Amino acid sequence: GIQVEQSPPDLILQEGANSTLRCNFSDSVNNLQWFHQNPWGQLINLFYIPSGTKQNGRLSATTVATERYSLLYISSSQTTDSGVYFCAVPTQGGSEKLVFGKGMKLTVNP
Amino acid sequence: KAGVTQTPRYLIKTRGQQVTLSCSPISGHRSVSWYQQTPGQGLQFLFEYFSETQRNKGNFPGRFSGRQFSNSRSEMNVSTLELGDSALYLCASSLRAAETQYFGPGTRLLVL
Repeated sequence: GIQVEQSPPDLILQEGANSTLRCNFSDSVNNLQWFHQNPWGQLINLFYIPSGTKQNGRLSATTVATERYSLLYISSSQTTDSGVYFCAVPTQGGSEKLVFGKGMKLTVNP
Repeated sequence: KAGVTQTPRYLIKTRGQQVTLSCSPISGHRSVSWYQQTPGQGLQFLFEYFSETQRNKGNFPGRFSGRQFSNSRSEMNVSTLELGDSALYLCASSLRAAETQYFGPGTRLLVL
């Protein structure tokens, strides 16, 4: 089945710093989602981004489907950005069955 | 519009018991998926329902089952609980297949 790898696994930043999270996937996909899991466990959808670039405030994401990777950029990080970030792709086109990466734990210190 | 809701939020059971978790999707969403999250295995897909039909199933034993009602609400059941079933169970809904999935707050199950 499709494999999803995220890097780095952990990242510690000072407030105000920028960061880039990477997600590699082993097969072609027709969509990709980025999520943020808060300390209480809820997964918050950040981006649905099958290709191209999207921006939402301080966050932006780019997916290069032909090269099988996606990047999540966080600029001017805040302590509330702390948590675990996941990327997920469907196992097959049109499927709701998502395969998640192992996540990247971000800690933003004041 | 209200988000995905899950009940109960926390649950403690003992080995051998069974448990039923409930998920109410966002109004108008017909697809409901369930995931199990553990520290060791991460997020794993359990099953997905659309219009009361199971369309996809993950690699879990038959003790894990689910259903969806005509109002799109879904339940999952775990029978003969084992210690390893302790996990965060997350439910997600989407309007149509292969669209953005919205997750509920989860149910934390502890099996003693």
